Amino acid sequence: DIQMTQSPSSLSASVGDRVTITCRASQTISGYLNWYQQKPGKAPKLLIYTASNLQSGVPSRFSGSGSGTDFTLTISSLQPEDFATYYCQQSYNTPRTFGQGTKVEIK
Amino acid sequence: QVQLVQSGAEVKKPGASVKVSCKASGYTFTTYFIHWVRQAPGQGLEWMGIISPSGGSPTYAQKLQGRLTMTRDTSTSTLYMEVSNLTSEDTAIYYCARQNLAVAGKGLDYWGQGTLVTVSS
Repeated sequence: DIQMTQSPSSLSASVGDRVTITCRASQTISGYLNWYQQKPGKAPKLLIYTASNLQSGVPSRFSGSGSGTDFTLTISSLQPEDFATYYCQQSYNTPRTFGQGTKVEIK
Repeated sequence: QVQLVQSGAEVKKPGASVKVSCKASGYTFTTYFIHWVRQAPGQGLEWMGIISPSGGSPTYAQKLQGRLTMTRDTSTSTLYMEVSNLTSEDTAIYYCARQNLAVAGKGLDYWGQGTLVTVSS
């Protein structure tokens, strides 16, 4: 199975900050990496698919990059509604493993 | 509008089975895979398996092989996920989510509301 490792596990940031979350795969996954946002009590929401493609309806302050084994999710200017947990997931093969999550908290 | 509507919460005893349904609407049922994902209390997301809406055998996570069964009813656009021989470690929220067949590797763009399964004696 491909292991997905996110860092950091949590971070504190202020509104307006630029935030970067990284995700590393245990083997190459080409560009088959997706990012999700999850708020408490809610289902995950797709933000970015295949590494860098913004899902319809997602604000442009979210962006993704990377290929191979190393990927990043960037929030260019953190907004109050962005405080949540973020997960990466590889869609290269099955099992479609997730990272352990990164909780973004208010500083 | 696209909807994946799941069945309601369940409480089961250890050793029992649970079957969760996921009814799809608002899109062409046969053009999207359905994945099942679960989340234990306070924990991360765990991928369980994938089923094609139009045919073929599902693919399950190795960890759940032998206890997990995914089925479909194309006449009602409903997917089912059954876990047998439940233990407390199966206590979780179970989600169904869809993936576009036509776009390789695309993520899960619509999710059900989740079904809480509690396993307790």
